[in-house]
Amino acid sequence: EVQLVQSGAELKKPGESLRISCTGSGYKITSYWISWVRQMPGKGLEWMGRIDPRNSYTDYNPSFQGHVTISVDESITTVDLQWSSLKASDSAMYYCARLSNDQPSYFDYWGQGTLVTVSS
Amino acid sequence: SYELTQPPSVSVSPGQTASITCSGDKLGYKYAFWYQQKPGQSPVVVIYQDTKRPSGVPERFSGSNSGNTATLTISGTLAMDEADYYCQAWDSTTSVVFGGGTKLTVL
Repeated sequence: EVQLVQSGAELKKPGESLRISCTGSGYKITSYWISWVRQMPGKGLEWMGRIDPRNSYTDYNPSFQGHVTISVDESITTVDLQWSSLKASDSAMYYCARLSNDQPSYFDYWGQGTLVTVSS
Repeated sequence: SYELTQPPSVSVSPGQTASITCSGDKLGYKYAFWYQQKPGQSPVVVIYQDTKRPSGVPERFSGSNSGNTATLTISGTLAMDEADYYCQAWDSTTSVVFGGGTKLTVL
């Protein structure tokens, strides 16, 4: 069974750094791109970017480029989303989602979400 | 950048047909995808590549895409279909766009 399991909720202060993770199981991790999607409270879905776990190649939404980093850990089972300096406006639910191998692809599996709260 | 526009809300009576639209420039030349999100849950794909239903998605869900508009149709709408629905397309080969979402109310 394909599963994407995300790390737990985080409460951070503005200016702090943060790394959240998404661990895939039940499939060959290197065969599928993984994306991160932001959902601010009461708002819609926003695509942040994606990574190819085979080679760590990334594409970013220009709106997020430079503010977040998407990476794969050495075990190549976990995809991370990290911030070096959080803002209050980063408070949101963050989902990782697997991109299918169809052309064009779509998000066929989603993680359960990680709630990030940034407050002083 | 490419934009997809959805109505903020759609209401339907149980058993009737609900239609949710998604508009974008020449959207019919791209593929449209639809996701359902219920409160407190992660999104789930209900239609991919305009018209295809993943296994497990009821037959009452269908999709179409032509011109500038993609449409998600739910026939014989059930109370359990009440949710937020998001359309999605690829702006380019490397960039994903979501519509703003439509809240479907079944009343």
